[in-house]
Amino acid sequence: ETGVTQTPRHLVMGMTNKKSLKCEQHLGHNAMYWYKQSAKKPLELMFVYSLEERVENNSVPSRFSPECPNSSHLFLHLHTLQPEDSALYLCASSQGLRAHNEQFFGPGTRLTVL
Amino acid sequence: QKEVEQNSGPLSVPEGAIASLNCTYSDRGSQSFFWYRQYSGKSPELIMFIYSNGDKEDGRFTAQLNKASQYVSLLIRDSQPSDSATYLCAVNGGLTGGGNKLTFGTGTQLKVEL
Repeated sequence: ETGVTQTPRHLVMGMTNKKSLKCEQHLGHNAMYWYKQSAKKPLELMFVYSLEERVENNSVPSRFSPECPNSSHLFLHLHTLQPEDSALYLCASSQGLRAHNEQFFGPGTRLTVL
Repeated sequence: QKEVEQNSGPLSVPEGAIASLNCTYSDRGSQSFFWYRQYSGKSPELIMFIYSNGDKEDGRFTAQLNKASQYVSLLIRDSQPSDSATYLCAVNGGLTGGGNKLTFGTGTQLKVEL
């Protein structure tokens, strides 16, 4: 595996389900991110982790719960979602948190909430 | 006021022409500027970044930055049908994008026609 991988690639869930999205980076980076991309909207930053510590929580509802057990893995736990949460969820990683550090994205998970 | 603004397009150019994509940003303290390409149904792919005023060239791509005018552009020379995608402008640093918090525009859709 190379780069940033995400599983599953597609997910359909009901509003009462609990599911998790997984991200793994193989780049030796130490910062990881979750973004949400909805139709006709800019990518929205959700969470930032640096060295497994959350450094940014961008006013995200509590039905989204991130977890970063180590610098290579990032999870997004989902529960009692709403249909408006349907979107493409993208994971990214970077080497450090400086403004010049490029972020590299995974392929995303296309989430549909029924 | 949107923080990062792009014309949504579509911008149509004939094959072999120069495509010019523009982006303006509101935070004068922004430090880093990135261009991502996103094919339909895929994740963003980093193609260029620029930190200093002036031009930066990489193959067929040239990024131009004018911090005084808060303007960044991407030129694609000898446009190919494979360049047809949505191009996302992202800005980092400054007051609203401190550290490595990227603020994205909504993207410009480019169509290169045969």
